[in-house]
Amino acid sequence: ETGVTQSPTHLIKTRGQQVTLRCSSQSGHNTVSWYQQALGQGPQFIFQYYREEENGRGNFPPRFSGLQFPNYSSELNVNALELDDSALYLCASSLDSGGSQETQYFGPGTRLLVL
Amino acid sequence: GENVEQHPSTLSVQEGDSAVIKCTYSDSASNYFPWYKQELGKRPQLIIDIRSNVGEKKDQRIAVTLNKTAKHFSLHITETQPEDSAVYFCAASIRRRADSWGKLQFGAGTQVVVTP
Repeated sequence: ETGVTQSPTHLIKTRGQQVTLRCSSQSGHNTVSWYQQALGQGPQFIFQYYREEENGRGNFPPRFSGLQFPNYSSELNVNALELDDSALYLCASSLDSGGSQETQYFGPGTRLLVL
Repeated sequence: GENVEQHPSTLSVQEGDSAVIKCTYSDSASNYFPWYKQELGKRPQLIIDIRSNVGEKKDQRIAVTLNKTAKHFSLHITETQPEDSAVYFCAASIRRRADSWGKLQFGAGTQVVVTP
């Protein structure tokens, strides 16, 4: 098992609500990436945070936003929830040593259901 | 952007046989190719990865091969066991440079079923 943790494990929300998901990166890692995994599909890249700044974004609307803290933990916020946002949300931590990005290790995920 | 295609979508093998999963990628600048195994309800776990300066890498029963010219890479599992049953994902990424970042582009996954 990796040292990446996520909370909560499960969440049920209704359309239009807002949600915050949390991720604690593995010790020694400084980069957190967020992915959305719909049922039966591969993870889709949402964005990545490095040194508390967004460092790349996938094809997701602005209502998906994030934050990284000085201890490298991170939050994913989703506003105005839609039914299609129901998915497993995974964070992955890695170490960016300045020359290259190393392996990404995934947390257990938060399963979000939007009703 | 990068596009990764993965085949087959399902793979049934008898215990002890070999399993091969193939992926192709579109961006020739991609240079990092990890493989993840995801059991039902669990997190994706890295099982092996390869960088573009290497053509093959092996770890016990698992091996990955990379053909940069053809832009495809494959996962080989030998002597399969029931505990190898899971969904396997390939991914491709461009090593971070000053103006780049390590986004992983995943394939759609392969459901592997190993029957005793």
